[in-house]
This record gives sequence, C-alpha cells and structure tokens, in this order.
Amino acid sequence: AQSVTQLDSQVPVFEEAPVELRCNYSSSVSVYLFWYVQYPNQGLQLLLKYLSGSTLVKGINGFEAEFNKSQTSFHLRKPSVHISDTAEYFCAVSDGSQGNLIFGKGTKLSVKP
Amino acid sequence: DTEVTQTPKHLVMGMTNKKSLKCEQHMGHRAMYWYKQKAKKPPELMFVYSYEKLSINESVPSRFSPECPNSSLLNLHLHALQPEDSALYLCASSQPYRVEKLFFGSGTQLSVL
Repeated sequence: AQSVTQLDSQVPVFEEAPVELRCNYSSSVSVYLFWYVQYPNQGLQLLLKYLSGSTLVKGINGFEAEFNKSQTSFHLRKPSVHISDTAEYFCAVSDGSQGNLIFGKGTKLSVKP
Repeated sequence: DTEVTQTPKHLVMGMTNKKSLKCEQHMGHRAMYWYKQKAKKPPELMFVYSYEKLSINESVPSRFSPECPNSSLLNLHLHALQPEDSALYLCASSQPYRVEKLFFGSGTQLSVL
C-alpha cells in the first residue's frame, strides 16, 4: 500500500519569495507522483506529475518538483510566488494498479503582499 | 473538449430528501470516479466505474448509490443523508487505470441540514 505525507499543513510566504512544499511517500513498488492545486470551492487542477525518466519535472504556473527515490520525496518548488498562488496544494501517489490516487493531507500556501 | 461537468454546483438537502448528483464527460474516457472531500481535508475515493461497471467501492454507506448509465455519464443518488455527509463531491474521469491522465470536475458542494 502507498501513503503520502505532506510535512507542512500551512506555509505562509511573502510575494516574490521562493517556496518549497514538502511531500514524502511510502511504497514498496514503483509509483507515479502528482501535485494538484485547489482554489477555494473549486476542483483539483494538475500542476505536474512524475511517471518516469527525468527526476526534475516542470509544471504549469512556474512550478517544478524533483523526484528523489533515495529520500522518497517529491517536493514542489517555485522560485518566486504571486498572490494568485494562494491555494491548497495536494501531493498524491498511485502505483497504477488500482486506478486511483492516494492524497496527502494538503498544504495551504498563503502568499502575503 | 477536456471538461468534466458536474451539476448542480451547490445543493442543500434535508435528511429525508432524495437527490442526485450528475457528472458528464465527452473525452471518451471509460473510467469514472466519485471522490468526497470534507472541509480542509484531502479528497477520499468513494467509487470507481470501469467500462460502466462498478470496480471499486470504498465501503461507502448505502445511502450513497452510484450509477453509470453510459460511458459519458455518472450519477450519485443520495437518500437519507446525515449532516456529516456535507462535503464537496468531486467527479473525475480517465481511461481505466490511467490515473496519470485524470481529469477532475469542479465539484458539487453539498450541505445536509
């Protein structure tokens, strides 16, 4: 079985500062890893995903994440955040066999002017 | 068309009411999903349909009854709900076992009084 741990429930940051949202996973098999963003009262939007290949994954809105197998991590980064990045961010994992995603508890990113 | 459309966007119902949530996609996907998301929590899988057959039921109470009448449509019938069932209900679709290409709808915000 897989599990996902998002180490920070809330991350406050000032506008134009860099940010890192942390995600660690647990699995005995190869996994797919995802980051989703959710704005208030909306559905989930895929930011980026790691399936295989290059461990540095670039996504939408200037976000990127690095898959680190030895540390079982998939941290999300952005070099300079905007007010509009304020949202809830979910890390998710799948082994592809059950056809579903396991989500972490989420990290609320608050960008302050 | 890469949209998953959910209706209604908001629903308020009493504990004795019967209501239905609707989800539609026209991407040719043959897997459709219902997730439940309580406030400030991650989405939790409820049901998965593959090729119009129920393939996963995550021990959901019988007051929630899913239906997949065709490959484009997914319903969730609600009856005798409890206030603790108030949540955002998210629909998603993909090809079977292809969660790396999962598309989410914007959800139905349900309040049970």
